[in-house]
Amino acid sequence: DIVMTQSPDSLAVSLGERATINCKSSQSVLYSSNDQNYLAWYQQKSGQPPKLLIYWASTRESGVPDRFSGSGSGTDFTLTISSLQAEDVAVYYCQQYYTTPFTFGPGTKVDIK
Amino acid sequence: EVQLVESGGGLVKPGGSLRLSCAASGFTFSNTWMSWVRQAPGKGLEWVGRIKSETDGGTTDYAAPVKGRFTISRDDSENTLYLQMNSLKTEDTAVYYCIPDRGYFQHWGQGTLVSVSS
Repeated sequence: DIVMTQSPDSLAVSLGERATINCKSSQSVLYSSNDQNYLAWYQQKSGQPPKLLIYWASTRESGVPDRFSGSGSGTDFTLTISSLQAEDVAVYYCQQYYTTPFTFGPGTKVDIK
Repeated sequence: EVQLVESGGGLVKPGGSLRLSCAASGFTFSNTWMSWVRQAPGKGLEWVGRIKSETDGGTTDYAAPVKGRFTISRDDSENTLYLQMNSLKTEDTAVYYCIPDRGYFQHWGQGTLVSVSS
């Protein structure tokens, strides 16, 4: 199975400042035949189901604010919130869909400092 | 608009069984691979398993912790997905979500809570 890890476990950022979350996979999720990284990011606010933010490592889902961006390739990925807003307080998960069993990272909790 | 309504959750004793249903609408269910994902209280997300469309063979795939105990099936005439859960364990306690499977999970319902406790 592909193991997903995230760092940090939690972070507190001032409003308007940048938040950076890292995700690492135990093996590459880059599929060479189409040059796509099979990596997604989700946001989960308290009491709600997760919401898809990013797929193919860097493609923003429709309706997601452009302050959210994804980057990385192979085994190392980053979710960046360029200017943290109050409504961004949530837990963020990465997920690989390169192969089953699909696996998620343990989550990173983002709070306001 | 995609809608997914999970039902059938509840309290069950260890060793018991439960069948979850998921009523889907707003997309062509019969052409869509579907997955179940669960989330234990206060914990992270765990993929449970998937079923392919009938045109792609209708085969299933499961995570190791549930393989041999859980069965995913579908009724394309009713746009409904099922999760039959047998030999339930306390560690199966979670909210269960059914989700159209594109590898990534674009649409989520509210889920249904399964509690396994004596």
